[in-house]
Amino acid sequence: QKEVEQDPGPLSVPEGAIVSLNCTYSNSAFQYFMWYRQYSRKGPELLMYTYSSGNKEDGRFTAQVDKSSKYISLFIRDSQPSDSATYLCAMSDSGSARQLTFGSGTQLTVLP
Amino acid sequence: EPEVTQTPSHQVTQMGQEVILRCVPISNHLYFYWYRQILGQKVEFLVSFYNNEISEKSEIFDDQFSVERPDGSNFTLKIRSTKLEDSAMYFCASSEEGTGVYDEQFFGPGTRLTVL
Repeated sequence: QKEVEQDPGPLSVPEGAIVSLNCTYSNSAFQYFMWYRQYSRKGPELLMYTYSSGNKEDGRFTAQVDKSSKYISLFIRDSQPSDSATYLCAMSDSGSARQLTFGSGTQLTVLP
Repeated sequence: EPEVTQTPSHQVTQMGQEVILRCVPISNHLYFYWYRQILGQKVEFLVSFYNNEISEKSEIFDDQFSVERPDGSNFTLKIRSTKLEDSAMYFCASSEEGTGVYDEQFFGPGTRLTVL
């Protein structure tokens, strides 16, 4: 069964804090891992994409995938009020790479 | 910057009525998708569409749902006889046909469907 669990929110941090967002999954066939950001009344917007295990960094954002533990993380350094949004993890397997399975989302608020 | 657009932003309908949700994908994209998100629940895949036919569909996408690309720009989701449980935000997405297995999916802002 394709299932993705995401840490429940809401999460509130002060500006400048390091934020850690996490998801676990049960389907070992998942190969593609994504983090989406969703602002209120908007569609999800891709932040980070990782294939298989490892780390990927883009500016203040770092995505980590640990396939042995079936665990993925998104770290946000020097968080800003503009980072306040809902963060969704999503993943897919190589057989259905375009069929994304989403986590429930974590609502993040960064306080100025 | 090109973006996926969806109309209407909010659709209210009576149970049993047919609704058509419309999307204009990014112009050079070849894969199209519909997802839905029931309030307070996860975003769920419904269907993907490529080369004028359904590529994949989930178990949610039953006979009451259909998709169509009626012209060169629009992509539609039709729900034939709406039920109360069809109330949700419906997201359209599109992606290029890249050389790899995975392509980034670009999402529209969604259509909120309310079935009374």
